[in-house]
Amino acid sequence: QVQLVQSGAEVKTPGASLKISCKASESAFTSHFVHWVRQAPGQGLEWVGRINPGGDHTFYAQRFQGRVTLTRDTSTSTVYMDLSSLRSDDTAVYYCIREVSSIFDYWGQGTLVTVSS
Amino acid sequence: QTVVTQEPSLTVSPGGTVTLTCAASTGAVTNDYSPNWFQQKPGQAPTSLIYSTSYKHSWTPARFSGSLLGGKAALTLSGVQPEDEAEYYCLLHYADTRVFGGGTKLTVL
Repeated sequence: QVQLVQSGAEVKTPGASLKISCKASESAFTSHFVHWVRQAPGQGLEWVGRINPGGDHTFYAQRFQGRVTLTRDTSTSTVYMDLSSLRSDDTAVYYCIREVSSIFDYWGQGTLVTVSS
Repeated sequence: QTVVTQEPSLTVSPGGTVTLTCAASTGAVTNDYSPNWFQQKPGQAPTSLIYSTSYKHSWTPARFSGSLLGGKAALTLSGVQPEDEAEYYCLLHYADTRVFGGGTKLTVL
């Protein structure tokens, strides 16, 4: 059974940076892209970006470019999302999802990020 | 900026059939957009239902089906069950990016 386990909830102040993780069970990430998606309270899903299996190619939604960085540690099957210059409207649940050949299958359980002064 | 549009809400009776659609501001949705569909129940992470327009995951109930309909991606639920009440999202593939629809809240009444 594939599982994507994300790091725990975070509370940050405006202007701070954030790093959250998504760890796959076994070798569930070996050949897969990993995407990050977020969901603000009461809102829909928003695509943030993705990283390729080798960890050497990323692509981000335009509105996050310059603030988000995705990295991955293939030795530990873990993907990280860094988000800088946090604002109150970055308050959301962040999800990681596994994808190969446009097949999105397993999701992480979500990480609640609260940005508040 | 590409906009993907879904019906904000739909209501269906138990045992009935309902079709949710997913339209793109760029024109007709085709298989090249690799539509995926997801279900999200309150307080839970989304789960994946359909990929590549019409293919089901091993865990997707048989009553869910995906297709292209009138230039849109479509998700049809046949023989709706009370547990199908949820928010449904489509996702389209645009080059290196992905764009979600705004979601359809499906009520089973």
